Amino acid sequence: GQQVMQIPQYQHVQEGEDFTTYCNSSTTLSNIQWYKQRPGGHPVFLIQLVKSGEVKKQKRLTFQFGEAKKNSSLHITATQTTDVGTYFCAGNINTGFQKLVFGTGTRLLVSP
Amino acid sequence: NAGVMQNPRHLVRRRGQEARLRCSPMKGHSHVYWYRQLPEEGLKFMVYLQKENIIDESGMPKERFSAEFPKEGPSILRIQQVVRGDSAAYFCASSPPGMGAYEQYFGPGTRLTVT
Repeated sequence: GQQVMQIPQYQHVQEGEDFTTYCNSSTTLSNIQWYKQRPGGHPVFLIQLVKSGEVKKQKRLTFQFGEAKKNSSLHITATQTTDVGTYFCAGNINTGFQKLVFGTGTRLLVSP
Repeated sequence: NAGVMQNPRHLVRRRGQEARLRCSPMKGHSHVYWYRQLPEEGLKFMVYLQKENIIDESGMPKERFSAEFPKEGPSILRIQQVVRGDSAAYFCASSPPGMGAYEQYFGPGTRLTVT
């Protein structure tokens, strides 16, 4: 079955440092979404990427979708303690149905 | 506009009992998804439902688990004869009608503990 892997599994940074998580799918995706889950919380939608090579920015967050639509990345510039949480990518195969396959997640810890 | 609602938030069951988890999607949403999350792990897709229809249940265990989304009322995830391995957080998500790719809105989850 389809698999979506993320690396790293865990990262601990000092406040102000940058952070990047990478997402790789075993199959070509029609689109990819990113979610953030705070400790003890539920996933919250961040963004969706649809086009090959697409890059989107949200303040300090930059999202990229690979040319082959099989990988994606999330980069956070100058992390803050509020960025703490687990970041999941979620891929959608064009099956005609809205079925997301979630990545394994990257847990980010930011020390002040 | 209320978000996705799930209840109960916490549920404790003894081995062999039944667990019923409820999910009310956001107003206007007709697609419901159930996910399971083990501690320190990702979200595993279980089932995708529309009103009165199961669209994709490829992530549901073959036995003891069932889901429904009736014409009226919330979606229900039912686990019969629970075992310790069923202990997890169960999240429900909803999205608007249509065949496009929409973001999914998640509920707060039900934390199931089997003793």
